[in-house]
This record gives sequence, C-alpha cells and structure tokens, in this order.
Amino acid sequence: GENVEQHPSTLSVQEGDSAVIKCTYSDSASNYFPWYKQELGKRPQLIIDIRSNVGEKKDQRIAVTLNKTAKHFSLHITETQPEDSAVYFCAASIQGGSEKLVFGKGTKLTVNP
Amino acid sequence: DADVTQTPRNRITKTGKRIMLECSQTKGHDRMYWYRQDPGLGLRLIYYSFDVKDINKGEISDGYSVSRQAQAKFSLSLESAIPNQTALYFCATSDFGSSQNYGYTFGSGTRLTVV
Repeated sequence: GENVEQHPSTLSVQEGDSAVIKCTYSDSASNYFPWYKQELGKRPQLIIDIRSNVGEKKDQRIAVTLNKTAKHFSLHITETQPEDSAVYFCAASIQGGSEKLVFGKGTKLTVNP
Repeated sequence: DADVTQTPRNRITKTGKRIMLECSQTKGHDRMYWYRQDPGLGLRLIYYSFDVKDINKGEISDGYSVSRQAQAKFSLSLESAIPNQTALYFCATSDFGSSQNYGYTFGSGTRLTVV
C-alpha cells in the first residue's frame, strides 16, 4: 500500500522567513495530494491540494509543488507569521481507486516573532 | 452549518470496557472515515465506509469495529479497551469524485484515555 514520508518533523523559523516541508510517496498511482494544518487542540483543516496533472499551485502565501517522476511534493509558506505555527500534514490518495488518504507523520512548525 | 460532529469529546474508560465513539454529519457526504492520531505517528486509518453497505478495514483495524447506521452516522467501537488505544480519534467525511472538492472534513475529535 501507499506510504508517505514527511520531513522535517519539526521546523522553527523567524517571522518573515520562508518554510518548506517535503513529502515523498511510494505508490505511483497516487494522484491527489492535500495538505492539512492542525492548530493546537483543533481539527486538521485542508489548506491546499494538488492533483497529479498539475506541477504547482499557489494560494496567497502558500504553494505546493509536485514532482511525479521523483514521487515528491512540497509545501512552501512565504512571509511566515506567528499564526502559521501549527502541525502540518501531507497526504496522498488515488482518486478513482482506493480514495482513502494516507498521511505523513506531520511537521510541527514554529514561527518565532 | 453543515458539519461533522463527534461524541463524546473526551472520555476516560477502564481497561476491558466496551466503548463507542459516535460520528454524525450534515454534509451529505457518502464517504466516512475513522482515524487515530498519536504524537509523532500522524493520522492512521482505522476503518472507512463509502456507503451504508460498504465497510473496509484500514491499516490499524485490530481491536476496533464499526457500524454505518445511516449515510450520516458512522460509529467506532472498542470491544475491550486497552491502554495503548489511548489516543485522539477523528472522524472524517469526503465526497471524493462527486464534486470538485476532494478534501476531507474532520470532526472535532474524541480524546480517549484508557486506564
């Protein structure tokens, strides 16, 4: 089955800097890659996603890139703010197939003021 | 607001007890999932269901069972709770394939402690 590896497990940046979180997946049939943000004590919430027919997607200060050949995708957050501090999860699934998300183990991002 | 509701929010139970966690949704989604979250281990799939007649095991189904009572309700049971089932449990729904929105909507979670 699918396996998703996520790095780093913790990341600390200064406010205004960029943050990058990387994930790799094992199943070449995976075609949908969402990212979730979980603030302390809250539920995970979808912040951005990308499908395999797209190489990059942006939404204001966040962007996701996908390299299908390398089976690798990344989350980029620019101009980080303290409210970006949270745990971020990547995930992968096969739309039209199993359609269940397999999650990475998470990255705890801390943005220092 | 359409949402995913989990009950109870917190529960402490004793080893060997049977416990049920409930999930209901008003989003009209067909697909429902139960995940378990442990520190450092991320979210791991316990069971999932694509309609009331469809139940599937996830990667960590041992010690758990589920019931899909209706499209809107999906319950998770621990038949005989053990301490290593202490975790945060999330229910989620999705409408994969039926719209442009493929993401999950998570419930608020149930924090279960087995003593």
